[in-house]
Amino acid sequence: AQSVAQPEDQVNVAEGNPLTVKCTYSVSGNPYLFWYVQYPNRGLQFLLKYITGDNLVKGSYGFEAEFNKSQTSFHLKKPSALVSDSALYFCAVRDGSTNAGKSTFGDGTTLTVKP
Amino acid sequence: GAGVSQSPRYKVAKRGQDVALRCDPISGHVSLFWYQQALGQGPEFLTYFQNEAQLDKSGLPSDRFFAERPEGSVSTLKIQRTQQEDSAVYLCASTTRTNTGELFFGEGSRLTVL
Repeated sequence: AQSVAQPEDQVNVAEGNPLTVKCTYSVSGNPYLFWYVQYPNRGLQFLLKYITGDNLVKGSYGFEAEFNKSQTSFHLKKPSALVSDSALYFCAVRDGSTNAGKSTFGDGTTLTVKP
Repeated sequence: GAGVSQSPRYKVAKRGQDVALRCDPISGHVSLFWYQQALGQGPEFLTYFQNEAQLDKSGLPSDRFFAERPEGSVSTLKIQRTQQEDSAVYLCASTTRTNTGELFFGEGSRLTVL
């Protein structure tokens, strides 16, 4: 079984400040981890992923995430938030040890960046 | 096309009606997924195809839900005898063959059952 927890329903930050959106996961095998962003009335868009290698991964729009195996976390970060970053963010996990394609998503975190 | 296309974008059905939702994946993408997203929640896995083979249908909530992808490209999700709890956004996603690939999502089909 695999699962994702996003402990914060909402994160509020001021423009220009750093932001963190938290994600923890549970998976039997090797974790493949993903972040997606969803704007209103739009489908989910891929931001970044961790498959193997460097624990710090960089993605679109200046976002990055750090894979921490001991804490089973994959928090999303950005050094300086923009108002346009306001959206709904989803973390997802897939079991890389199997050929199963299913990704399991968290319930999402709404990020609001205020001017 | 350039992206994943879903139709209809919005569907209102009376309880008991059958509905069909269509997904046209990115050309060349072997794998196709259906997810259900209820209001305020994350996407929940329904079913998964690799080419025309349905490899996992463990997420389909009941035998009223049926999905097919007969030629390994376009897929249809059919819901028979719709009920109010079926109201949700149905998301389709496709990806390349590799297990490491990210999902490319369509904009979804919003189903409202009255």
